Amino acid sequence: EAEVAQSPRYKITEKSQAVAFWCDPISGHATLYWYRQILGQGPELLVQFQDESVVDDSQLPKDRFSAERLKGVDSTLKIQPAELGDSAMYLCASTRGRGNTGELFFGEGSRLTVL
Amino acid sequence: TQLLEQSPQFLSIQEGENLTVYCNSSSVFSSLQWYRQEPGEGPVLLVTVVTGGEVKKLKRLTFQFGDARKDSSLHITAAQPGDTGLYLCAGSSSNTGKLIFGQGTTLQVKP
Repeated sequence: EAEVAQSPRYKITEKSQAVAFWCDPISGHATLYWYRQILGQGPELLVQFQDESVVDDSQLPKDRFSAERLKGVDSTLKIQPAELGDSAMYLCASTRGRGNTGELFFGEGSRLTVL
Repeated sequence: TQLLEQSPQFLSIQEGENLTVYCNSSSVFSSLQWYRQEPGEGPVLLVTVVTGGEVKKLKRLTFQFGDARKDSSLHITAAQPGDTGLYLCAGSSSNTGKLIFGQGTTLQVKP
């Protein structure tokens, strides 16, 4: 069964360091999302891609966060420099369509701890 | 800012009890989804409702979309320990097309 792949699964870093997360969506899925989730709370959208284009990055802290999906397939989310408040689960999701009404398929997430 | 408010935020019950989780907003949604998330995993879709007043059943789970498409509920009958997890509603806004998640309801079912 096709899955959304994310790595690393866990990352521990010190504040001010750089960190990167990778996501490979289900093949053929046009839309890719990066979410940040605090334990026990709902996911918050950081950035949404449709193919290789950003369609929504209004909640992405652009002074330290960047995201790219160069060939419209896999994607990387980078944080530089990391801050204590960035500790969270970073979830990647993909959907086949180009709207926001279809089922989102989530990866297992990358848990970040900033010390 | 469009918000989806879920209640209750936490729920701890005994096996066999019934429960209802609510998802409310002042905004209209073209569709609403319910996801369940287990610790250390990503959310998994349970159901999508698109029509006002729609009721969908999934074994012991009953989902309802409000007539005005501004609210939804999830009812679980005879809860089991395997139902334990974080339940999330997510609405696709009729105005902006954005998908908005609620804050989640953490359910613990004790044997």
